[in-house]
Amino acid sequence: LAKTTQPISMDSYEGQEVNITCSHNNIATNDYITWYQQFPSQGPRFIIQGYKTKVTNEVASLFIPADRKSSTLSLPRVSLSDTAVYYCLVGDTINNAGNMLTFGGGTRLMVKP
Amino acid sequence: EAQVTQNPRYLITVTGKKLTVTCSQNMNHEYMSWYRQDPGLGLRQIYYSMNVEVTDKGDVPEGYKVSRKEKRNFPLILESPSPNQTSLYFCATGAALRTEAFFGQGTRLTVV
Repeated sequence: LAKTTQPISMDSYEGQEVNITCSHNNIATNDYITWYQQFPSQGPRFIIQGYKTKVTNEVASLFIPADRKSSTLSLPRVSLSDTAVYYCLVGDTINNAGNMLTFGGGTRLMVKP
Repeated sequence: EAQVTQNPRYLITVTGKKLTVTCSQNMNHEYMSWYRQDPGLGLRQIYYSMNVEVTDKGDVPEGYKVSRKEKRNFPLILESPSPNQTSLYFCATGAALRTEAFFGQGTRLTVV
């Protein structure tokens, strides 16, 4: 499984755009990039997933350069409720190959008023 | 409504007293997994299962057992709990050939 590296923490202010970058130099051809959000004492929640270029949904955008060795989660106009830990995961689809969901340390985002 | 349900949500027990934390999902997912989360150590996988009667060890399986007799249920068993198993536990499920997982609400276990 490809290892990921993210900043340990980030601070932002309400209304700003936040970009969290994840490095995954050893990403494999079949790997997808998935981001989860976790609030204290709650289970992680799926945010967005992509394979290449750009993916956007109602919550966030995910930018993936051509070499796929990194990705950037973009949260537009954050609010206090976006304060959470954000995890970047890299892996193949769930199949009989085994352990597909390995979480790294995540990025603790603090949004200030 | 798609759900992953863990029970109990909170449990305080004594060392050595066997306990089971249940996990049930209504999404017909093949993949189910247990994680523990500890301060400074993040989420660590205990066991996972790709289908009924198929289970495999994750990163920290010592002191735990699991079973997958039915597709919807994946109980976590602590035969002889010890204080170092005090943690926040999460059950997760996912569909084959997909990558996103769905997590339960968590079970906070304290072993004294």
